Amino acid sequence: DAKTTQPNSMESNEEEPVHLPCNHSTISGTDYIHWYRQLPSQGPEYVIHGLTSNVNNRMASLAIAEDRKSSTLILHRATLRDAAVYYCILRDVRGNDMRFGAGTRLTVKP
Amino acid sequence: ETGVTQSPTHLIKTRGQQVTLRCSSQSGHNTVSWYQQALGQGPQFIFQYYREEENGRGNFPPRFSGLQFPNYSSELNVNALELDDSALYLCASSSQLAGVEQFFGPGTRLTVL
Repeated sequence: DAKTTQPNSMESNEEEPVHLPCNHSTISGTDYIHWYRQLPSQGPEYVIHGLTSNVNNRMASLAIAEDRKSSTLILHRATLRDAAVYYCILRDVRGNDMRFGAGTRLTVKP
Repeated sequence: ETGVTQSPTHLIKTRGQQVTLRCSSQSGHNTVSWYQQALGQGPQFIFQYYREEENGRGNFPPRFSGLQFPNYSSELNVNALELDDSALYLCASSSQLAGVEQFFGPGTRLTVL
C-alpha cells in the first residue's frame, strides 16, 4: 500500500495561514489524495481531496505537486477551532477503505 | 438530516468476552466502514459493508466480524476479547454513488480488562 509521511506536530498563530505538508512518494496513478481532520473527542471529518489539480473548498485548499509525490493542505486563516489532528490519506479510486497514518497534530495559539 | 450515530458510547468488558457495537448510517448512505483507533494512533480500517455484503477488509483476524442490515445500519462483533482490543471503534457511512466523503460517528470507547 502507498504510504504517507507527515510531521508529528505543527504550531500556528490564530488568524495566520497554515501549510500542512504530506509526502507520498509511492503514490500510484489511481490514488486520490484525501485529507481528514479529527477534533478532540470526535470522529474524523472530511476536509478536501484531489487527484492532480489544486483544489479549493470552503474549509481549505489543497496544493498538489506536479509529480504528485507531495501535497500541502492550506488553512488560509487558522482559528482556535482548527486545532486538530490532520490526516493525509491515499485512496485508490477503486478502493474500499482509507488507510490513515499517525497524522499531524496542529496547535493554534491565540 | 441525521448524522452517523453509534451505541453504546462506552463499554467495559473482560478478556475472553464477546461484544457487539452498533452503528446507524446517515440517511441515504448504503455503505458502512468500521475502524479501530488505539490511543494516540490514526484509525485502522477493519472492514466495509455495501448493500449487506462485506466489500473489503483490513488486516484484522476473523474474530472481528460484522453485519449490515436492510436499512443499512451495521454491527461490529468481536469475539474472544483481548486486552489489545481496547480502543475507540469508529463507524463511517458514505454513499457508494459518490464514494468520496465518509461521514464518521463519534465512536464507541471499548475497554477490555
